[in-house]
Amino acid sequence: DAGITQSPRHKVTETGTPVTLRCHQTENHRYMYWYRQDPGHGLRLIHYSYGVKDTDKGEVSDGYSVSRSKTEDFLLTLESATSSQTSVYFCAMGTSGDNEQFFGPGTRLTVL
Amino acid sequence: GESVGLHLPTLSVQEGDNSIINCAYSNSASDYFIWYKQESGKGPQFIIDIRSNMDKRQGQRVTVLLNKTVKHLSLQIAATQPGDSAVYFCAENRESGGGGNKLTFGTGTQLKVEL
Repeated sequence: DAGITQSPRHKVTETGTPVTLRCHQTENHRYMYWYRQDPGHGLRLIHYSYGVKDTDKGEVSDGYSVSRSKTEDFLLTLESATSSQTSVYFCAMGTSGDNEQFFGPGTRLTVL
Repeated sequence: GESVGLHLPTLSVQEGDNSIINCAYSNSASDYFIWYKQESGKGPQFIIDIRSNMDKRQGQRVTVLLNKTVKHLSLQIAATQPGDSAVYFCAENRESGGGGNKLTFGTGTQLKVEL
């Protein structure tokens, strides 16, 4: 949606394995965000980026790391996946001073 | 602690009626309050926002009301249509140090439009 894609769209993995989710945008937006969505919690911010190699933690960052080596790509890594990280992950992009964030289609991750 | 929550998890309305979705917040320092719509299987989509120094803002078929006295936010949808069926989230904006927008989302309200 709106020039932002996520891959993979679905993934099943086992506890203890590393997982990397990719977000790719074609709009040259400076800001990018990773959220997770769980029933009863809405969307919660994991990490965000305000430029290439500039990232910061959100409210639920434990167990996650991110990298942004290019404007268009924002990677989310689970170093050692746990069952509590089973969720739907959304990437978003936006501009400074604008409350409108454009979300990707989401990645459904299941950790067995 | 800081929270953004909703009064009703599910709202059912008849097609053509007006819908009102409510949200309570606790962080008085937020600069903006925002409404997002999420259709099944898709990512959230921005609807409208309101700055904290405003009471009302109107968009196309939607109106957002902000009552800072009781820390209450509402989204009114006029002449509700089947395409309005979705989950609606309120969110508050806490600006990050780098100028981006760190949003805190509520838990959502499911709007069901009955024909």
